[in-house]
Amino acid sequence: GAGVSQSPSNKVTEKGKDVELRCDPISGHTALYWYRQSLGQGLEFLIYFQGNSAPDKSGLPSDRFSAERTGGSVSTLTIQRTQQEDSAVYLCASSPQFRSYEQYFGPGTRLTVT
Amino acid sequence: DAKTTQPPSMDCAEGRAANLPCNHSTISGNEYVYWYRQIHSQGPQYIIHGLKNNETNEMASLIITEDRKSSTLILPHATLRDTAVYYCIARGGGATNKLIFGTGTLLAVQP
Repeated sequence: GAGVSQSPSNKVTEKGKDVELRCDPISGHTALYWYRQSLGQGLEFLIYFQGNSAPDKSGLPSDRFSAERTGGSVSTLTIQRTQQEDSAVYLCASSPQFRSYEQYFGPGTRLTVT
Repeated sequence: DAKTTQPPSMDCAEGRAANLPCNHSTISGNEYVYWYRQIHSQGPQYIIHGLKNNETNEMASLIITEDRKSSTLILPHATLRDTAVYYCIARGGGATNKLIFGTGTLLAVQP
């Protein structure tokens, strides 16, 4: 079946601009996660959505970052006033209910801030 | 979540078993051990997990020591496509759903 999809695959933006990154999780998965991976670094958790519960935003690095998940499916990660240190690959994952350990990752969006 | 320690890199000959170690000496009783891998330019991929018993699936085997302070992921017949960074994660099975990835082990399968 279809896996997690993300768009765009690549995004180049100028410092100070806002960007939106999209994630389509696997159909039926109740949990959705955003991570980011900077060049040569490990994966860093950003935010987690589970059903109708309040999201876990504990990993968002600043208030310039926000995310929403509409209708329990598609999610958008928004970065306002982008900075060069925001350059990274942004990865989205989803998991079935009661199996949060089994996260299925998308291919990521490579964001470059110039 | 317990800290895990892995060697930064390992080599393995194609067709041989790859044994990837992980230390998690501070693991608590309710924390599971999970293994993921990340092939270059792809998102991470779940491999296997366990609590205290050894586990096997179509991808790999997981051997956890009796004291649970360490574990070994075994790829029985490594192929070139198994070249990836392998992450060992210790995590509670409760409400903490995020994965905390360390630096992992870069496994290079040699032809």
